[in-house]
Amino acid sequence: DQQVKQNSPSLSVQEGRISILNCDYTNSMFDYFLWYKKYPAEGPTFLISISSIKDKNEDGRFTVFLNKSAKHLSLHIVPSQPGDSAVYFCAASGSGGSNYKLTFGKGTLLTVNP
Amino acid sequence: AAGVIQSPRHLIKEKRETATLKCYPIPRHDTVYWYQQGPGQDPQFLISFYEKMQSDKGSIPDRFSAQQFSDYHSELNMSSLELGDSALYFCASSLLNRGYTFGSGTRLTVV
Repeated sequence: DQQVKQNSPSLSVQEGRISILNCDYTNSMFDYFLWYKKYPAEGPTFLISISSIKDKNEDGRFTVFLNKSAKHLSLHIVPSQPGDSAVYFCAASGSGGSNYKLTFGKGTLLTVNP
Repeated sequence: AAGVIQSPRHLIKEKRETATLKCYPIPRHDTVYWYQQGPGQDPQFLISFYEKMQSDKGSIPDRFSAQQFSDYHSELNMSSLELGDSALYFCASSLLNRGYTFGSGTRLTVV
């Protein structure tokens, strides 16, 4: 049972345009969400996070939006750059006991074309 | 700033051998997590430690064991290795269960 779903395995955008990566979750205990960027054979690199008490968090070119009622979050990258090309993982965790561990989606491969 | 250090970066073992992966968390982080990522898969949670005690257990085979030592570093011990154990193994550390930082991973290849 995939509790964190990234339904788009890949996304291709032009340099300078906006990249929108989507993520859905099913576990209502999740209250903290993160986006990681990953290059092959490297560890995930933290990009941005959002707590369930917020609906938006912004950091430079990266903005994460959270819609709790729809159990949906998205990562916006604007403007997209070729160096952004990587696999992006959405992850979620809850509070208390075993909920602290991260549950990952399957990732979306973003390709930004020059 | 210090990051999460994992060693070795690459490891090749034969079937039925044993392997030990090491993780050195960020100083003062109180929790260590181990994840396994198979080819084309998302990272799967294996096990975690909080203040040197096992805090949670995921899909970790009985052939695997882990511990966290007094200096907070952690080791993942894998015995009777199988071909299917070939994967990237990531360690992450966090403080107060937020701000997870991942190491660069250990690529284990079982031949």
